[in-house]
Amino acid sequence: AQSVTQLDSQVPVFEEAPVELRCNYSSSVSVYLFWYVQYPNQGLQLLLKYLSGSTLVESINGFEAEFNKSQTSFHLRKPSVHISDTAEYFCAVAVGYTDKLIFGTGTRLQVFP
Amino acid sequence: DVKVTQSSRYLVKRTGEKVFLECVQDMDHENMFWYRQDPGLGLRLIYFSYDVKMKEKGDIPEGYSVSREKKERFSLILESASTNQTSMYLCASSSRDRAQPDTQYFGPGTRLTVL
Repeated sequence: AQSVTQLDSQVPVFEEAPVELRCNYSSSVSVYLFWYVQYPNQGLQLLLKYLSGSTLVESINGFEAEFNKSQTSFHLRKPSVHISDTAEYFCAVAVGYTDKLIFGTGTRLQVFP
Repeated sequence: DVKVTQSSRYLVKRTGEKVFLECVQDMDHENMFWYRQDPGLGLRLIYFSYDVKMKEKGDIPEGYSVSREKKERFSLILESASTNQTSMYLCASSSRDRAQPDTQYFGPGTRLTVL
């Protein structure tokens, strides 16, 4: 069965510092991985996804994540965060070959000035 | 732009009431989902529908039912609301690409309080 572990429930960081949000998954079949972001008082929106091809995927606002099969990880990174990146971030893995997702418990990123 | 709307942002109900949460999407998506979001637990799937009148139980279906009579609308029903159903409810939709799972698009959520 698939599962997702987000090891950090909260990550405080100063503006312009680098950040890494960790995500580990378990899956016995082909792996499809997602990061979603939830800004305060909003629904979730897709940040980036890995379906196939290059193991490094990027978002339009400077985040990137690398699919690492040997370490079963899909960590999210940004070299320099902004106040507006303050949000909750959810890692998710597809359930087998279905359209369903299993979500991690979320990491709250708080960026301080 | 894909739009998923939910009928209420905030809802307060009494224990034992029947509660309807409505979700509408405008992108002709086959798949629709209902999740509940609780602090420290992330998102948990309640029910999933992959076509009109078709539904599948998620991880926590107890105490809930769903209805999908039209492609664009997916309703979550709490037959007899209880205090442990106080939560944020999120609806999502996605297209059904048989090769790979598609992006799920989420509504803004309904915060339900059961007193």
